[in-house]
Amino acid sequence: NAGVTQTPKFRVLKTGQSMTLLCAQDMNHEYMYWYRQDPGMGLRLIHYSVGEGTTAKGEVPDGYNVSRLKKQNFLLGLESAAPSQTSVYFCASSREATGGYGYTFGSGTRLTVV
Amino acid sequence: DAKTTQPPSMDCAEGRAANLPCNHSTISGNEYVYWYRQIHSQGPQYIIHGLKNNETNEMASLIITEDRKSSTLILPHATLRDTAVYYCIVRVPGGTSYGKLTFGQGTILTVHP
Repeated sequence: NAGVTQTPKFRVLKTGQSMTLLCAQDMNHEYMYWYRQDPGMGLRLIHYSVGEGTTAKGEVPDGYNVSRLKKQNFLLGLESAAPSQTSVYFCASSREATGGYGYTFGSGTRLTVV
Repeated sequence: DAKTTQPPSMDCAEGRAANLPCNHSTISGNEYVYWYRQIHSQGPQYIIHGLKNNETNEMASLIITEDRKSSTLILPHATLRDTAVYYCIVRVPGGTSYGKLTFGQGTILTVHP
């Protein structure tokens, strides 16, 4: 089925370790986003991309880096994981533009940093 | 983005219509109304959106009042799988608001047999 695929689905990291979360979409969407969701906090935008080769900071970018080398992929990196980065991470994509379109979300990556 | 107000919870019998209200009295002329839902432990799912006309798709209908200060999401024949948290979001698409979906507390809809 067409959509947004996130890998891995679960991960436990030790403080200081690094990892990369992969997001892939097959809908030819220009725009892609990384969010984190914490209890009682709703979804918060980490980084986003408006096209291949572009990235921009969202609301909570510190401690994360991203890359969009291919249109269909958006990678989220944690260089040195901290317990505060324990969260559920969602990737999304959209056509956006002024006409208004919905976002398609992945099923999430549950990350625990111990 | 305009603030939205939704009831914290609602119940609905399976097979009946679920009508979820949303107030957005400070909505501006170029802001769209979006509805998403999040089933436990899953990513949010886009349902429908509209600007000022009523909209219908395979999932739901969206009724927006003439003054655009409130809207109602209608699930015509609710099933147990529709049990989820439903979010009403008001925003201007594109421009400087990329990705800025502000998910409030939403409405917990429970569909019971």
